[in-house]
Order: sequence, then structure tokens, then C-alpha cells
Amino acid sequence: LAKTTQPISMDSYEGQEVNITCSHNNIATNDYITWYQQFPSQGPRFIIQGYKTKVTNEVASLFIPADRKSSTLSLPRVSLSDTAVYYCLVGVSGGSYIPTFGRGTSLIVHP
Amino acid sequence: SAVISQKPSRDICQRGTSLTIQCQVDSQVTMMFWYRQQPGQSLTLIATANQGSEATYESGFVIDKFPISRPNLTFSTLTVSNMSPEDSSIYLCSVTLGVSYEQYFGPGTRLTVT
Repeated sequence: LAKTTQPISMDSYEGQEVNITCSHNNIATNDYITWYQQFPSQGPRFIIQGYKTKVTNEVASLFIPADRKSSTLSLPRVSLSDTAVYYCLVGVSGGSYIPTFGRGTSLIVHP
Repeated sequence: SAVISQKPSRDICQRGTSLTIQCQVDSQVTMMFWYRQQPGQSLTLIATANQGSEATYESGFVIDKFPISRPNLTFSTLTVSNMSPEDSSIYLCSVTLGVSYEQYFGPGTRLTVT
């Protein structure tokens, strides 16, 4: 299984762009990269998913370099409500999907 | 998307007893998972619930302790058996739809064992 490594915590201020990088050196050919957001007392919520290059949706962008050994979640102009834990997930291994969460990054957005 | 409900939302149980948690989805799903999350920690995958067959357990989790059923495409149960205080945690049900690996999570069941 591809193990993921993320910074444990990050701090930012309202209006700034936040980039959270996830390392997954052992990513397999069939693996997709997925990011989730979790607020206290709630289940994780899907943010974005990608396989290679760049993916953008209404809330975030995901940048994946050619070697796919890392990925960066970009949150444009964060607000206080973006304070949460962000998880990078790499799934699909050997034909079976085993969604294993890493330790996550606790993002705190300051006024 | 999918709407997932879990019952109960929380419970306080005595050690040695068992609790069954239900997960109901409003649409047919392809995969169902059960996770455990300790306060301030990440999610730990317990098992994949397989329809009509035995669940696939991750390392450290066994069927005798965490029996799982999935009788159809929209419902699953997780039982926490012979509970001890170490089983106090939040238990989360998660599903995927179609061929996507995008997961949807239930609100969780907060279990306290005394």
C-alpha cells in the first residue's frame, strides 16, 4: 500500500492561498489521489480527486507532478471556515481498494 | 452523492456488553467500509463490508470482536463485542458509488465504554 506523509499542522490567515503537500513515494500505477476535509465531530468530506497533472473544482485545485510521488492541495483565499483537518488518500492497490488514511494536516486559519 | 445515516448516534455502554451500529444509505453503493477514530487521531480502517459474504478485515481487527454484516447494497451493521474502555471511539461508516473511489461518510457513532 502506498503510504502518505503530510505536515502535521499548518497555519494561515484569511485571504491567503494555502498549499498542503502530500508525499506518496510508493504510489502504484492504478492509484488515484484523493483529498478529504474533516471538521470536528463530523465525518470526512470529499474535496478533490486526481490521477495526474492538475485538477480543479469549485473549492480547490490538485497538482500532481509527472512522477506522481507527491501531490499538492491548493486552497485559494482561505477563510476561517476552512480550519479543519485535511487528509491525503492513495487508494487501489493490487486490484483492491483499501482506503487507508494517513495522519492528516491540521490547518488553522487565523483572522 | 449519497446520504448516510448511522444509528445510534452515540451510546454509553458497560464493559463486557456488545453494541450493534447500523449504517443505512439512501442509494445503492458499490463499497462499504467501517472506520474507527479516536479523539484527535486519524481514521483507522476496520474492514470492508462485502455484500452477502464475510467482511475483509484489516490487520489488528478480527471478526469475533467486530462482526460485520451487509445483507444488501444499502445497509450494513458493525457489532463491537465484549467491549472494554479501549473500544471507546467514534465509529464511521463510509461508502463509494459506482466506479468512483470518492467516499462518502456517515455522521459517526460516538461510543463510550465504562
